[in-house]
Amino acid sequence: GNSVTQMEGPVTLSEEAFLTINCMYTATGYPSLFWYVQYPGEGLQLLLKATKADDKGSNKGFEATYRKETTSFHLEKGSVQVSDSAVYFCALDSGTSYGKLTFGQGTILTVHP
Amino acid sequence: DAEITQSPRHKITETGRQVTLACHQTWNHNNMFWYRQDLGHGLRLIHYSYGVQDTNKGEVSDGYSVSRSNTEDLPLTLESAASSQTSVYFCASSDSSSGTQYFGPGTRLLVL
Repeated sequence: GNSVTQMEGPVTLSEEAFLTINCMYTATGYPSLFWYVQYPGEGLQLLLKATKADDKGSNKGFEATYRKETTSFHLEKGSVQVSDSAVYFCALDSGTSYGKLTFGQGTILTVHP
Repeated sequence: DAEITQSPRHKITETGRQVTLACHQTWNHNNMFWYRQDLGHGLRLIHYSYGVQDTNKGEVSDGYSVSRSNTEDLPLTLESAASSQTSVYFCASSDSSSGTQYFGPGTRLLVL
């Protein structure tokens, strides 16, 4: 079946530090991959996505590259800000699941000034 | 602007009561989804719908039901609330082409 595994959290960083949140997936078919972000007290928002192998999704300084050979979609940002403090979810749409997403368990990021 | 709204935002109820959570979207999306979010579990799919009169069970559907009488709304009903259903509930919608889901702000439910 489909599954998404994210790195254990929480992650605590100082402002301007480099961020990596690991995401590994298992899927049938040709999945699309997503990163969603959830700010405190809010619903999830799409951060970025990639629909095929070697695609790079990017938004707000965040990037993730779809690596089919390693079944990974790691999220990176070169210099985090306090405002990036949130919960980050990796997710996939297997392409055979008719729009249903499989989510990872989420990674809490806290950025200190 | 198109949006997806949920009501109420907070709800306290007692064990055994029937509770209905509303979800309304103005994206004109065919697909709608209900999730619950609990610490350590991420988001788990409760029910989903691909269009009017279509409903399907997700991975944690026991004790919940939905109905889809129009494109805009997918209410979630807890038939007889249990303390194990204390959670934060999110509704989402998507169109059939992009796969991107748009989420509502959530309903925080406490069952006493």
